[in-house]
Amino acid sequence: EVQLLESGGGLAQPGGSLRLSCVASGFTFSTYAMSWVRQAPGKGLEWVSAINESGGKTYYADFVKGRFAISRDNSKNTLYLQMSSLGAEDTAVYYCAKGYSSSYYGIFDYWGQGSLVTVSS
Amino acid sequence: EIVLTQSPGTLSLSPGERATLSCRASQSVSKNYLAWYQQKPGQAPRLLMFGISTRASGIPDRFSGSGSGTDFTLTISRLEPEDFAVYYCQQYGKLPWTFGQGTKVEIK
Repeated sequence: EVQLLESGGGLAQPGGSLRLSCVASGFTFSTYAMSWVRQAPGKGLEWVSAINESGGKTYYADFVKGRFAISRDNSKNTLYLQMSSLGAEDTAVYYCAKGYSSSYYGIFDYWGQGSLVTVSS
Repeated sequence: EIVLTQSPGTLSLSPGERATLSCRASQSVSKNYLAWYQQKPGQAPRLLMFGISTRASGIPDRFSGSGSGTDFTLTISRLEPEDFAVYYCQQYGKLPWTFGQGTKVEIK
């Protein structure tokens, strides 16, 4: 059974930093691209970032470019999102999502339960 | 970026009725790379459909997708109680991948 378990969310100060982790199990982590998708309270879904299977290629939405960094450790089956220069607009539940296949990174067939990030002073 | 506009915002229907959800793109969706997700309160989204009309694993055949280019439709042939939820379309043909704002299907 595929499982994605996020952690690391919580309260951050404006301008501060936070690192999210997502531990994967139930599939061969190193052979799938992964993404982060967020959802502000009461709002819709927003794709944030993606990383290919090896970690050699990363992709970002414009609104996080230069502030967030996605990475992965395939030896630990773990995906990361390092967030910095956080603003109130970054307050959201952040989901870790698995890419469907090597040809279709952008289809998200499994999702974690989400990690809430709140940016407030 | 490709903007996806879903309509209606809310659909009020009874169990057993047919639901028709629309998703319109601001430009043609490359290779018909269009997916649909279902989200229930307090839960993560669930993949329903990709490639416009291919059902994801375990999705019942009362769900169907259609369309091409810029206009897409998700149809639920006969609503079951568990189908009342929010539905999002998503394009994955061009970065940044984008979602529609969602259509809520509620019990009338």
